[in-house]
Amino acid sequence: EAGVVQSPRYKIIEKKQPVAFWCNPISGHNTLYWYRQNLGQGPELLIRYENEEAVDDSQLPKDRFSAERLKGVDSTLKIQPAELGDSAVYLCASSPSASPLHFGNGTRLTVT
Amino acid sequence: AQSVAQPEDQVNVAEGNPLTVKCTYSVSGNPYLFWYVQYPNRGLQFLLKYITGDNLVKGSYGFEAEFNKSQTSFHLKKPSALVSDSALYFCAVRDSNSGYALNFGKGTSLLVTP
Repeated sequence: EAGVVQSPRYKIIEKKQPVAFWCNPISGHNTLYWYRQNLGQGPELLIRYENEEAVDDSQLPKDRFSAERLKGVDSTLKIQPAELGDSAVYLCASSPSASPLHFGNGTRLTVT
Repeated sequence: AQSVAQPEDQVNVAEGNPLTVKCTYSVSGNPYLFWYVQYPNRGLQFLLKYITGDNLVKGSYGFEAEFNKSQTSFHLKKPSALVSDSALYFCAVRDSNSGYALNFGKGTSLLVTP
């Protein structure tokens, strides 16, 4: 099966600019996650979707971050405006409910 | 809150020797524990999980993990390390407040030298 696909792989932007990341989960996986991984740290959950519904977004900084999962398939994570501290790797994962998470290769964001 | 701790930032081992990467957990209720591996510039790959049953769990690439309830540990092991095992290893616990989302440790860098 095809894995979780994320794009772009790398993104460099200046602070205060907007940025968006895209994720295509594994076909049939109804649960989608966005994680942020800071350098030298483990991934931290930002938001979890069950189909098209965001069921846990308690860790999403809602003043500048937004996410959507239209039609319960692809998802987009947006930051507007970006800050220096947003530099990290943004990982998307999907799972068919109770199974282990499958991760994409991530988008490495550098904010200058 | 469900959490895991990885006390070692780095583990060094010679090729052919056994390796252990340590993880301890703190949960309320029954723990659902996982190990993932991350190679440079890649996402995390699932190695193995403990849900219930035997305390020794076998996973991918010859790895296994031992669940120890009395010590609240879930150490990752491999009898004979390979240079290609060099990577970042993350222990994780299911967050019961967020479906099947995982809370990860900070990771342990494993370096296997020839």
